[in-house]
Amino acid sequence: GAVVSQHPSRVICKSGTSVKIECRSLDFQATTMFWYRQFPKQSLMLMATSNEGSKATYEQGVEKDKFLINHASLTLSTLTVTSAHPEDSSFYICSASQLYFQETQYFGPGTRLLVL
Amino acid sequence: KQEVTQIPAALSVPEGENLVLNCSFTDSAIYNLQWFRQDPGKGLTSLLLIQSSQREQTSGRLNASLDKSSGRSTLYIAASQPGDSATYLCAVIDFGNEKLTFGTGTRLTIIP
Repeated sequence: GAVVSQHPSRVICKSGTSVKIECRSLDFQATTMFWYRQFPKQSLMLMATSNEGSKATYEQGVEKDKFLINHASLTLSTLTVTSAHPEDSSFYICSASQLYFQETQYFGPGTRLLVL
Repeated sequence: KQEVTQIPAALSVPEGENLVLNCSFTDSAIYNLQWFRQDPGKGLTSLLLIQSSQREQTSGRLNASLDKSSGRSTLYIAASQPGDSATYLCAVIDFGNEKLTFGTGTRLTIIP
């Protein structure tokens, strides 16, 4: 149980285009989803926290207009990288937690984004 | 602000040896600490979770300890195998917070 999927697993796009990444909880309802970014040989950095039906909370330094997050249902959150640039190339990982505060987070397999 | 550090950044050991990975955190008011494994280009696999009231957790060849007062945790791997090669991350959740703060990771290589 507690499986989280991400789609796509890899994406290559041209600079200036927008890319949408989906994060789904397959067998549980996720009231909270988290989006992380990981640059090569570095650790995971939290970008934003999204709660179903409300606006996402972004970490300091993360542009909310560039990284649009939607958590429209209890099983799906999307991250849209708008007007992507090469510096946005990274590994994006989502996680999902169930109903209660500080509940265990279950991680997706990640999405590799390469912006040319 | 919580900071999590892992030393060493990289470690290579011969197959069969026991080894210890270290994790330290600056704020001892944590809710729990978790150890993860990450294979290259992959997501995270949770290995062990220790609640703040616990001192250790065991799963197979893995044993994680927690000393909250000193801000330290260790992950002990017994009888290492080449399949254990991966990056190991520790992460903490602070009290009153739902966010995971990740350590810098230790890249482990087991030499056959």
